[in-house]
Amino acid sequence: DVKVTQSSRYLVKRTGEKVFLECVQDMDHENMFWYRQDPGLGLRLIYFSYDVKMKEKGDIPEGYSVSREKKERFSLILESASTNQTSMYLCASSFPGPSYEQYFGPGTRLTVT
Amino acid sequence: GQNIDQPTEMTATEGAIVQINCTYQTSGFNGLFWYQQHAGEAPTFLSYNVLDGLEEKGRFSSFLSRSKGYSYLLLKELQMKDSASYLCAVRDSNYQLIWGAGTKLIIKP
Repeated sequence: DVKVTQSSRYLVKRTGEKVFLECVQDMDHENMFWYRQDPGLGLRLIYFSYDVKMKEKGDIPEGYSVSREKKERFSLILESASTNQTSMYLCASSFPGPSYEQYFGPGTRLTVT
Repeated sequence: GQNIDQPTEMTATEGAIVQINCTYQTSGFNGLFWYQQHAGEAPTFLSYNVLDGLEEKGRFSSFLSRSKGYSYLLLKELQMKDSASYLCAVRDSNYQLIWGAGTKLIIKP
């Protein structure tokens, strides 16, 4: 059974704090992704990675950075949290290739006050 | 720009059939995915279409017409547990997934 886990289900942080969201997958997937999901909008890609130490910007990378030091782990960092980063954050992983589906973690609901 | 359109919300009756439509305008096409997402949970994969036609998987079927930029998800013999959001996503010419906003399906007894 594919498992993607995220470090927290719920997180409350203050404006200006540095926030770390961690994602771990156990299926030896090369590809890993970070999305945010907001009501009325589709999933929006923040960053993705096709290999260890490799990262690519998605559609909305501003205010975020990522780290992939090991194949199974992909971290999302909010350098200085702002209220407009209050959202549901979803991590996903997949094998390479266009037909492979993405497997999602349970999500982290982040509130920035 | 790239665009995926789905109805925001649909209501159906337990035991009935419902069809959820998805139309897309993307730069290229390399496949279309349907995912199910229950409230507060992660999306889970339902189906993948890359060629025109109907793919059947138990109570769920997915149809694709590439010339029309159109797909639908057909759910038969609806059960209360099918109440969820259904997300359509298209892989474009750069192999990136473009996501629709999702269709919230409400099942009534």
